[in-house]
Amino acid sequence: GQQLNQSPQSMFIQEGEDVSMNCTSSSIFNTWLWYKQDPGEGPVLLIALYKAGELTSNGRLTAQFGITRKDSFLNISASIPSDVGIYFCAGKLGEKLTFGTGTRLTIIP
Amino acid sequence: SAVISQKPSRDICQRGTSLTIQCQVDSQVTMMFWYRQQPGQSLTLIATANQGSEATYESGFVIDKFPISRPNLTFSTLTVSNMSPEDSSIYLCSVAGAKTGGSSGNTIYFGEGSWLTVV
Repeated sequence: GQQLNQSPQSMFIQEGEDVSMNCTSSSIFNTWLWYKQDPGEGPVLLIALYKAGELTSNGRLTAQFGITRKDSFLNISASIPSDVGIYFCAGKLGEKLTFGTGTRLTIIP
Repeated sequence: SAVISQKPSRDICQRGTSLTIQCQVDSQVTMMFWYRQQPGQSLTLIATANQGSEATYESGFVIDKFPISRPNLTFSTLTVSNMSPEDSSIYLCSVAGAKTGGSSGNTIYFGEGSWLTVV
């Protein structure tokens, strides 16, 4: 099935650094969602974006719904060890989700 | 958000056998979906589970291999039939349209997943 282009594929950062990742698509979506998945677990919803241009924050996380409806980014400020995991974007059109390829975040001690 | 419980959480299965995964939600939901996540990969939609009618399958997935039931608004099952090692994956139930009010009705939530290993 179709997947979104998500970058970077992986990130190695030091604790306290800021993180930025994004997703792009050739198709438009009505909703963008960002999930985090820990090993052996299901994805957990972080942020949901419902309108083009919308900028939404959830604690240290900030995400934006691109004005073209074909892209979205997620920023994490002042990273902490529990931020480690795989982050997925997902675009929603109708009731179906199309997932990004994932960004694996590793924090270097 | 809706609380989604999946059983089993993990299983090791023999080649050629079938396994049924259950998904129970703590509130009525409009939509239920089944996803597959192969090792190290992203999530791929298998099908939409429709209450009282046949599931709607995505390209590459067929009912004979992945029969799905959805008898009511809070429960669904996915069966992985005649398993082979290539079926080793996490199978995830997700829901949308939780009837608990608020804006969460437009958001999709996931269960913890069922990790199947076929040997």
